[in-house]
Amino acid sequence: AQSVTQLGSHVSVSEGALVLLRCNYSSSVPPYLFWYVQYPNQGLQLLLKYTSAATLVKGINGFEAEFKKSETSFHLTKPSAHMSDAAEYFCAVGGGNNRKLIWGLGTSLAVNP
Amino acid sequence: GAVVSQHPSRVICKSGTSVKIECRSLDFQATTMFWYRQFPKKSLMLMATSNEGSKATYEQGVEKDKFLINHASLTLSTLTVTSAHPEDSSFYICSAPQGFSTDTQYFGPGTRLTVL
Repeated sequence: AQSVTQLGSHVSVSEGALVLLRCNYSSSVPPYLFWYVQYPNQGLQLLLKYTSAATLVKGINGFEAEFKKSETSFHLTKPSAHMSDAAEYFCAVGGGNNRKLIWGLGTSLAVNP
Repeated sequence: GAVVSQHPSRVICKSGTSVKIECRSLDFQATTMFWYRQFPKKSLMLMATSNEGSKATYEQGVEKDKFLINHASLTLSTLTVTSAHPEDSSFYICSAPQGFSTDTQYFGPGTRLTVL
């Protein structure tokens, strides 16, 4: 079985500040882990993914995430927030044989000027 | 990256009518596609898995006669909301996995359905 927990449904940061969005997972099989971003009234866009290669994964728009097996975590970070980063962020885990992804409830990121 | 399109992007219909939403993988073949429903400020709810050449697999609690899914080809899946009611109003999103070993899903832009 797999599950995902995103800690904090709402995160607010100042422009230029560090962004940290938390994601913990559980999985009975080696996981694939994903972060997606959703802007209002749009579909989801893949930010980055972990697929058992390097544990530090770099994605688009300056985001990165580190897979920590011992902590069952895959937190998303960005050194300096931009106003354009304001969006909904979803963490997901896959790796089961049905190709489904299990989704977290999402974290809404607000960036204040 | 892989591109998935959805049509229409927005639809308004009267209660009791049926609405068809198309999901296409534009630059890759997709034997599997997923249909999600998303309520405002809420996460994604997987409705069903669309399988090319076979019946769709519905998640628990999703009415298969209400939400008809047809995977007509390796690049097209359709979701038909039959006899739509106001409570069916929602944002519907499809996705298709590419990369057999990694299950990376690529999403369509979504369809906003409003039932009057």
